[in-house]
Amino acid sequence: GENVEQHPSTLSVQEGDSAVIKCTYSDSASNYFPWYKQELGKRPQLIIDIRSNVGEKKDQRIAVTLNKTAKHFSLHITETQPEDSAVYFCAANNNDMRFGAGTRLTVKP
Amino acid sequence: NAGVTQTPKFQVLKTGQSMTLQCAQDMNHEYMSWYRQDPGMGLRLIHYSVGAGITDQGEVPNGYNVSRSTTEDFPLRLLSAAPSQTSVYFCATIGRWGGEQYFGPGTRLTVT
Repeated sequence: GENVEQHPSTLSVQEGDSAVIKCTYSDSASNYFPWYKQELGKRPQLIIDIRSNVGEKKDQRIAVTLNKTAKHFSLHITETQPEDSAVYFCAANNNDMRFGAGTRLTVKP
Repeated sequence: NAGVTQTPKFQVLKTGQSMTLQCAQDMNHEYMSWYRQDPGMGLRLIHYSVGAGITDQGEVPNGYNVSRSTTEDFPLRLLSAAPSQTSVYFCATIGRWGGEQYFGPGTRLTVT
C-alpha cells in the first residue's frame, strides 16, 4: 500500500515568515494529494489539494507544489499568522487515502 | 444537511467489552472510511468502503469489523476491546468523483 512520509514533525516560525512542509509518497499511481489542517480537539479540515496532472496550485497565502517524478509534494504558507498554528497533514490517494504523520506548526507573534 | 455524524462522542470501555461506533452521512457519498488518530502518528486507515456491500481493509484492520448495508451508514465494531485501541476515531466520506474527504467530529475511545 501507499506510504506517506512528512517532514518536519514540528515547525516554529515568526509571524510574517514563510513555512514549508514536505511530503513524499511511494505509490506512483496516487493521483490526488490533499493537505489538511487540524486544530486541537477538532476534525481535520481540507485547506488545499492538487491532482497529479497539475504541478502547482495557489490559494491566497497557501500553495502546494507536486513533483511526480520525485514523488514529493510540498505545502507553502506565506505571511504566516498566529491563527495558522495547528497540525498539518498531507495525504496521498490512489484507491484509499493515506496520511503523513503530521507537522505541528507554531507561529510566534 | 448534517454532513457526517458520529456517535458517541466519548466512550469508556473495559478490556474485553464490545461496542459499535456509528457513522452516518447524508451526502450520498459512495466512499466511506474509518481512521484512528494517535498522538504523533497521524491518521491511520482502519477499513474503507467504496459502496454498499463492499468493504476492504486499510493499514490497521486487526481488532475491528465493518459492514456497509446502506450508502448512509458505516458502523465500526470492536469485538473485544483492548487498551491499544484507545484512540480518537474519525469517519470520513468522499463523493463519487473523488476529491475532498469530509470528516465526522470524531469519537474519543478509552479502553481501561
